[in-house]
Amino acid sequence: EDQVTQSPEALRLQEGESSSLNCSYTVSGLRGLFWYRQDPGKGPEFLFTLYSAGEEKEKERLKATLTKKESFLHITAPKPEDSATYLCAPRGDSWGKLQFGAGTQVVVTP
Amino acid sequence: SAVISQKPSRDICQRGTSLTIQCQVDSQVTMMFWYRQQPGQSLTLIATANQGSEATYESGFVIDKFPISRPNLTFSTLTVSNMSPEDSSIYLCSVLTEYTEAFFGQGTRLTVV
Repeated sequence: EDQVTQSPEALRLQEGESSSLNCSYTVSGLRGLFWYRQDPGKGPEFLFTLYSAGEEKEKERLKATLTKKESFLHITAPKPEDSATYLCAPRGDSWGKLQFGAGTQVVVTP
Repeated sequence: SAVISQKPSRDICQRGTSLTIQCQVDSQVTMMFWYRQQPGQSLTLIATANQGSEATYESGFVIDKFPISRPNLTFSTLTVSNMSPEDSSIYLCSVLTEYTEAFFGQGTRLTVV
């Protein structure tokens, strides 16, 4: 059975304090690992899609990496506006469907 | 990218009634999906909206409760039927563009009283 686990559940950071979020998955026939940011009361905002182990993508202070069993979202020198819930979602053999993890709630304080 | 408009953005409904949510995309897309996000929870896929044919429902979701239409490649509706307070959630439309990027609408926040 496909599973997705995100850790930690919550993360509180000081502004400028870099950290990493983890997404562990067991999905047969991975066809992409998606990362999203979600602000309260809003729909998820697409960040990245990673397809193969070793792949990395960056956007501003965020960098996502992928291995065969995990993906990491690194937040470098975060700012308060980076506060959000970050969701990962692998897509497996079921064409087009994403399976979402529970998310990591990140709070960045000034 | 794709811009998705969802209507209504929120609604408060009486139990036993039905609500239809609309999803309009600014470009033709192959795949459209409907998700539910219960309070404090992550996203759960309800169904895949298939153009011109019946939707494909996930385990635990049935057509009688969540009928879906998709008359063309840019529009879909989700109806939440015979609502109960347990249906209070955020309902989200999602599209997959060229199988590489998946975008979401802003969601419909439904409260059933």
